[in-house]
Amino acid sequence: DIQMTQSPSFLSASVGDRVTINCKASQNINRYLNWYQQKLGEAPKLLIYNANSLQTGIPSRFSGSGSGTDFTLTISSLQPEDVATYFCLQHNSWPRTFGGGTKLELK
Amino acid sequence: EVQLVESGGSLVQPGGSLKLSCVASGFTFSNYWMDWVRQTPGKSLEWIGEINTDGSKTNYAPSIKDRFTISRDNAKSTLYLQMSNVKSDDTAIYYCTRNNRFDYWGQGVMVTVSS
Repeated sequence: DIQMTQSPSFLSASVGDRVTINCKASQNINRYLNWYQQKLGEAPKLLIYNANSLQTGIPSRFSGSGSGTDFTLTISSLQPEDVATYFCLQHNSWPRTFGGGTKLELK
Repeated sequence: EVQLVESGGSLVQPGGSLKLSCVASGFTFSNYWMDWVRQTPGKSLEWIGEINTDGSKTNYAPSIKDRFTISRDNAKSTLYLQMSNVKSDDTAIYYCTRNNRFDYWGQGVMVTVSS
């Protein structure tokens, strides 16, 4: 199985900050990496697919980059509504695997 | 509007069985592969498996293979997850998701395995 190591597991930042979250795959997954936002009590919401494509309706302050084994989700200017847990998902190989999550809170 | 609505979650005893359903609307269900994913109480997400458009092909995570079965009824726009010989580790929220970038997810349904 491909292991997805997500970091940091916890992040505290202020409104307006630039925030970056990383996912590292244990082997090459090309660009088959999605990023999700999950708010308390809700289902995961797709933000970025295939490493750097912004899902329809998602604010442009969210962006993704990377390929191969190293990927980054960036929030260019943190907003209060961005408080959530963020997950990555690799869909290059079976079984699909998720990162452990990053809990983002406001400082 | 794409909607996925799961149902069938409950408290079940270890070794028991349960069948979850996911009713889809807002898109042509028969055109999409569909998946099940679960989230444990510790919040980890685990992919369970997938089914192709006509139900003839499935893939499963090794951790649940031979205990869970995914099926679908395209006439009813419904996806199923048959769970058997359940264990305490199967306690989780179960989500169905559309296998098109894994773009839409249901609200989830809780399954608790306990005696």
